[in-house]
Amino acid sequence: GAGVSQSPSNKVTEKGKDVELRCDPISGHTALYWYRQSLGQGLEFLIYFQGNSAPDKSGLPSDRFSAERTGGSVSTLTIQRTQQEDSAVYLCASSLGFSADTQYFGPGTRLTVL
Amino acid sequence: DAKTTQPNSMESNEEEPVHLPCNHSTISGTDYIHWYRQLPSQGPEYVIHGLTSNVNNRMASLAIAEDRKSSTLILHRATLRDAAVYYCILRDPNAGNNRKLIWGLGTSLAVNP
Repeated sequence: GAGVSQSPSNKVTEKGKDVELRCDPISGHTALYWYRQSLGQGLEFLIYFQGNSAPDKSGLPSDRFSAERTGGSVSTLTIQRTQQEDSAVYLCASSLGFSADTQYFGPGTRLTVL
Repeated sequence: DAKTTQPNSMESNEEEPVHLPCNHSTISGTDYIHWYRQLPSQGPEYVIHGLTSNVNNRMASLAIAEDRKSSTLILHRATLRDAAVYYCILRDPNAGNNRKLIWGLGTSLAVNP
């Protein structure tokens, strides 16, 4: 079946511009995660959505970062006034739900801020 | 803190077994041990997870020490496609209902033909 998809696969932007990254989770998965991975580093947790519960935003690095999940499915991560240190691969993952730990990852969006 | 310790890198020859170690001395009694891997330029993929008993699936085996303070991921016959970064991961004990996993730097496995 279809896995997690993300778009765009690559995004190059200028410092100060806003960007939106999209994630389509696996159908029926109620949990959705956003991570950031800088070059040669492990994954850094950003935000977590579970069903209709309030999202866990504890990993967002600044108020320039925000995310939405509409209708319990598609999610958008928005970075306002991008900075060069925002350059990274942004990964989205989904899982079946509350008691299921296995996360299924998308291919990521490589963001480059010039 | 649910941290794990893994060697930075390991090397193996094709068609030989590979044993990837992980230390997790602060693991709690109810924490599962998760292994994921990340192939070059791809998102991570699930490999295996376990609690106390050794586990097997089509990808690998997971051997868990009796005291649960360490585990070993076993690839029975390495192939070139197994070259990846392997992450041994625990859930964040402070994350409440958030199934947040704590990711380290993993072990970069090179497979020689």
